[in-house]
Amino acid sequence: GQQVMQIPQYQHVQEGEDFTTYCNSSTTLSNIQWYKQRPGGHPVFLIQLVKSGEVKKQKRLTFQFGEAKKNSSLHITATQTTDVGTYFCAGLMDHAGKSTFGDGTTLTVKP
Amino acid sequence: NAGVTQTPKFQVLKTGQSMTLQCAQDMNHEYMSWYRQDPGMGLRLIHYSVGAGITDQGEVPNGYNVSRSTTEDFPLRLLSAAPSQTSVYFCASSYSRGLAAYNEQYFGPGTRLTVT
Repeated sequence: GQQVMQIPQYQHVQEGEDFTTYCNSSTTLSNIQWYKQRPGGHPVFLIQLVKSGEVKKQKRLTFQFGEAKKNSSLHITATQTTDVGTYFCAGLMDHAGKSTFGDGTTLTVKP
Repeated sequence: NAGVTQTPKFQVLKTGQSMTLQCAQDMNHEYMSWYRQDPGMGLRLIHYSVGAGITDQGEVPNGYNVSRSTTEDFPLRLLSAAPSQTSVYFCASSYSRGLAAYNEQYFGPGTRLTVT
């Protein structure tokens, strides 16, 4: 079926280092959403990207949507221990009625 | 607003038992969905609904039933529990324009289900 691939699966960084997770789809996406799930918690919406080439920033987080609307990335500058958790992308395929989640990237930050 | 609520938080079932996971939202959202999350994996869509009286299957619907008699409630029924259904179940809702979930999804706190 239609899939959204997310890499890497795990990322361990030292506090202060940067972090990036990537999301790729084989088909064009109408939009892509990013969620964060803290350990033991539930997914919480971060942002939605809709336009080709769109870039949005939230403090230390930068989100990009590819020109072809088939890939996206989340970049965190100077990670902090509060950034710990799993980051999921969710892509809405054209003509689909529902989003497909990637498997997530789990970020651990060593103080 | 309470947002999305789920009950119970934890449940242990024996193989073959049936049960209903409850989900309710007070945001007047049209779109509601059920996901399961297995360890180290993403969220897989079980069933979803675009409005009262309308439901559809997701990626992994087998062994589960849903109904949507009101806008607020979207219960998930396990017909005959199996160990493979051990998972964390999340309910989510979203304001939808048309037939697609074009807006952010609000997730409930989850139900942790173990089937022995």
